[in-house]
Amino acid sequence: GAVVSQHPSRVICKSGTSVKIECRSLDFQATTMFWYRQFPKQSLMLMATSNEGSKATYEQGVEKDKFLINHASLTLSTLTVTSAHPEDSSFYICSASGEIRGAGNTIYFGEGSWLTVV
Amino acid sequence: DQQVKQNSPSLSVQEGRISILNCDYTNSMFDYFLWYKKYPAEGPTFLISISSIKDKNEDGRFTVFLNKSAKHLSLHIVPSQPGDSAVYFCAASGGSNYKLTFGKGTLLTVNP
Repeated sequence: GAVVSQHPSRVICKSGTSVKIECRSLDFQATTMFWYRQFPKQSLMLMATSNEGSKATYEQGVEKDKFLINHASLTLSTLTVTSAHPEDSSFYICSASGEIRGAGNTIYFGEGSWLTVV
Repeated sequence: DQQVKQNSPSLSVQEGRISILNCDYTNSMFDYFLWYKKYPAEGPTFLISISSIKDKNEDGRFTVFLNKSAKHLSLHIVPSQPGDSAVYFCAASGGSNYKLTFGKGTLLTVNP
């Protein structure tokens, strides 16, 4: 079963509104989570690193005021796309590193969230 | 500057044969490598990983080989099954922060 849960899986919003995507680690604590974005037929691009209890670290070219990241607990990080525009339409994926059932540390991904801005 | 490269955008193999997916990297600081499988509109699924202290790691039908001197790794799937058809991403990280750099992916098609 999923070890990282992402919600919602699909969301359609109007241009100018904000939308929040949640990423939860199940059965393990994740001090660090990552947010990626994928355009069609392209690779996953890291947007930011989310650290529990501190500010996120954004990659070059990613607008921090547009993509707000909050990592309020060891199991939850949220990405809020503010004042969304059609060009923000994309597939957003989170990941978290952790150890599950003694299997050693590895990185697990959420199911992804399709955002469509109309 | 692409630090992780998957030069073959697609690969087609027959069921039962071996699939070999290749990945090259340029950053000598990378010390941990992973392969992910991804279906359309889903998040990537972890397959197998290897650290730089090893040159081979095997898990069932999946084997990853690492050639540090050539900065090259490969994923072998044998025998290939139609359900293996997906996009395979190679990823690399350096240090302990688990920040991953991905290749562009290779679309594997296994024909029955």
